[in-house]
Amino acid sequence: GAVVSQHPSWVICKSGTSVKIECRSLDFQATTMFWYRQFPKQSLMLMATSNEGSKATYEQGVEKDKFLINHASLTLSTLTVTSAHPEDSSFYICSAREPSGRAGYNEQFFGPGTRLTVL
Amino acid sequence: AQTVTQSQPEMSVQEAETVTLSCTYDTSESDYYLFWYKQPPSRQMILVIRQEAYKQQNATENRFSVNFQKAAKSFSLKISDSQLGDAAMYFCAYRSPGNQFYFGTGTSLTVIP
Repeated sequence: GAVVSQHPSWVICKSGTSVKIECRSLDFQATTMFWYRQFPKQSLMLMATSNEGSKATYEQGVEKDKFLINHASLTLSTLTVTSAHPEDSSFYICSAREPSGRAGYNEQFFGPGTRLTVL
Repeated sequence: AQTVTQSQPEMSVQEAETVTLSCTYDTSESDYYLFWYKQPPSRQMILVIRQEAYKQQNATENRFSVNFQKAAKSFSLKISDSQLGDAAMYFCAYRSPGNQFYFGTGTSLTVIP
């Protein structure tokens, strides 16, 4: 399958600072990427849908000013956690959709995740 | 938002035996996809099997098969000949026509040697 990378794989930051997480599709162009959040021993919760060249669509309850998403190219989406607080500590996972679908059905691939710890 | 329910937080199976993980979902759509993903300790999501809602035939992938009951909105995963490497968190997922994934709460599977 196709490869989606995330950088960094883990990050520790101080409370009040901002952190940027990158999601890249390495061998395909992704018009749509998705951001998920996973707390320990819990499920993945969809945060937002990121479309290349347009504003992200956020799920209900997700603060768009807190979690800034930019999808400036067909291979890169970024999630910036602004003014991070300890409660933002979580595992953030992105996925990318391959519209041409080598599998023939809009295959979607997940990144390996980024562990954010806010002190 | 769509609802995906996994009623079994933990399951265990003897190596080489068969285990079934349950999942139910709620949607008003007629065209959608259902998935089972495996998440090992590395946290990388690994696709186990997918089912297209318009296909009546249950999907199979080697030792993995599903029992898809569209009217009942039920989508269970059967793992045959369980192996130690099957131990992981298993998430049932619904993918909407807009391509958003909605995940269940997960089932932690332990394989007993």
